[in-house]
Amino acid sequence: DGGITQSPKYLFRKEGQNVTLSCEQNLNHDAMYWYRQDPGQGLRLIYYSQIVNDFQKGDIAEGYSVSREKKESFPLTVTSAQKNPTAFYLCASSIPTGGIDEQYFGPGTRLTVT
Amino acid sequence: AQSVTQLGSHVSVSEGALVLLRCNYSSSVPPYLFWYVQYPNQGLQLLLKYTSAATLVKGINGFEAEFKKSETSFHLTKPSAHMSDAAEYFCAVSEGFGNEKLTFGTGTRLTIIP
Repeated sequence: DGGITQSPKYLFRKEGQNVTLSCEQNLNHDAMYWYRQDPGQGLRLIYYSQIVNDFQKGDIAEGYSVSREKKESFPLTVTSAQKNPTAFYLCASSIPTGGIDEQYFGPGTRLTVT
Repeated sequence: AQSVTQLGSHVSVSEGALVLLRCNYSSSVPPYLFWYVQYPNQGLQLLLKYTSAATLVKGINGFEAEFKKSETSFHLTKPSAHMSDAAEYFCAVSEGFGNEKLTFGTGTRLTIIP
């Protein structure tokens, strides 16, 4: 089955620690995205990558870092510089469909930092 | 810059009643519009998308949406609500043409009353 895998489902960390969230896709999609979801705020774009070895900042990139060394993988690191890291993180990938990129989402990782 | 406004963060309807979820957009170019559904602690699933081919778009699970340029709206409807429709719904806009970033609304939580 093709899809997007995010692990783990739930993640707990102490304040001051960096943590890396995994996102893997076997859909052969070129583009990948990371979003942050907070209650009542919808989804906000953190980083996106349209091709291997290239990525761009989204709307709320401060305190986060990414890498795109393989087409299938787009890990997100939440650094200690992120002031409010507790949130639900969603990874997506996309492929042009009918002239527009259609984004497919993973199941998400809920990060709690205390 | 593109933006999306979803009127009503919470909507309740009786089972069998009409579902109407409102979405208004702002875009400097002809937009691509999407509706996504999210069940608790899960990722987002695409319900339907508007890509300028037809103003009335039919999606999965009996949902449809109509693009009205004069009203800058893309409201989501379903003639008869089912208990399984209870979820959070997000409207999103993309400008396409190489700018594939999605801008999401803040979401509408739909509750179905038995």
